[in-house]
Amino acid sequence: NAGVMQNPRHLVRRRGQEARLRCSPMKGHSHVYWYRQLPEEGLKFMVYLQKENIIDESGMPKERFSAEFPKEGPSILRIQQVVRGDSAAYFCASSTGVGSYEQYFGPGTRLTVT
Amino acid sequence: EDKVVQSPLSLVVHEGDTVTLNCSYEVTNFRSLLWYKQEKKAPTFLFMLTSSGIEKKSGRLSSILDKKELFSILNITATQTGDSAIYLCALTGANNLFFGTGTRLTVIP
Repeated sequence: NAGVMQNPRHLVRRRGQEARLRCSPMKGHSHVYWYRQLPEEGLKFMVYLQKENIIDESGMPKERFSAEFPKEGPSILRIQQVVRGDSAAYFCASSTGVGSYEQYFGPGTRLTVT
Repeated sequence: EDKVVQSPLSLVVHEGDTVTLNCSYEVTNFRSLLWYKQEKKAPTFLFMLTSSGIEKKSGRLSSILDKKELFSILNITATQTGDSAIYLCALTGANNLFFGTGTRLTVIP
């Protein structure tokens, strides 16, 4: 019974490149959340998605960041033209749906921008 | 604006000690409060609290919520080195979890 899967676990990008982070939710979960954790800071909500829908992207920077959760395949968090300040751990969590407050986290992707 | 404040920020104890971690909060529409343990990777779920005064317990860990005074505590008895981690408190928002910055617990042998 696999948990939330994220890949890659570590990603190094040069400034200006694109970063793509993938998340496969836990089996039976149709709701996906992305969080960012900067060094020595808490987890900050970015975006909440269901299949083919963005429900809440209030925590996502307006530029360069986008997220999707297609009908088939994993959820993708895309960061275009990365800058040093994007270096962080990006965690994905999933839940069964509305009314379920328990979110289960993946191992995270640690993005380093050089 | 919703707020979650955890204290202490960090704590160093010896194996066998008992620790109490605090989480106070301000929220316009309370749904639930969750505790997570974060070692070097994914936060792992510990407890979800929705009602005041009802203790949740799992082994040496227990937690309780006070909705009148707006805080929760997480107790760990007979601490072990494997308890070393960051303990995160989070409020459930409409569509997300709102986290505190965590308490870093270090248990030394």
